[in-house]
Amino acid sequence: SAVISQKPSRDICQRGTSLTIQCQVDSQVTMMFWYRQQPGQSLTLIATANQGSEATYESGFVIDKFPISRPNLTFSTLTVSNMSPEDSSIYLCSVEDRGHHTEAFFGQGTRLTVV
Amino acid sequence: QKEVEQNSGPLSVPEGAIASLNCTYSDRGSQSFFWYRQYSGKSPELIMFIYSNGDKEDGRFTAQLNKASQYVSLLIRDSQPSDSATYLCAVSGGTSYGKLTFGQGTILTVHP
Repeated sequence: SAVISQKPSRDICQRGTSLTIQCQVDSQVTMMFWYRQQPGQSLTLIATANQGSEATYESGFVIDKFPISRPNLTFSTLTVSNMSPEDSSIYLCSVEDRGHHTEAFFGQGTRLTVV
Repeated sequence: QKEVEQNSGPLSVPEGAIASLNCTYSDRGSQSFFWYRQYSGKSPELIMFIYSNGDKEDGRFTAQLNKASQYVSLLIRDSQPSDSATYLCAVSGGTSYGKLTFGQGTILTVHP
């Protein structure tokens, strides 16, 4: 299965600032996904990151708040902009590994606390 | 609006018993169904996936899918304390396995 590395693993940030989360995969993948897991909640898809095109955002998420880059087939970043305490969550990167013709694999996540 | 509902927890079973976790989904177009296990503070780990009606067994785990009833379940036989975790049901439609809708999760506790 694909090995996914996320950085940073955790951070504490001041409100009003921005944080960029990096996701690196050890193999080329077509599709990468960003999820959010708020405290005590399940995972919610933020957007799909496609190489060479704009990310596709789910309802309730906008590019100005969560800009995403996908410069190549092994890397993506998610920025959480103008943070507020409500953005405190775990942010997870996942990839679809068609070499395994099945499922999505997740990185270890970034635990963000906004104070 | 796609919805995935899981049986409310927490679920507590004694060691060695069978744990039964249930999930229903609203989108009849859903094609792929997944069970993830999440330990506290960790990211989700895939434990089972199923695409076709019927049962699929992998070790102590059995996934069951009934598309007519829009129902998917996970059975854990010979439950162990190490199985204590949150179990997430996830559903995807179309051709993208990675675009998942998750249920709210069921907390399972296996007590010695």
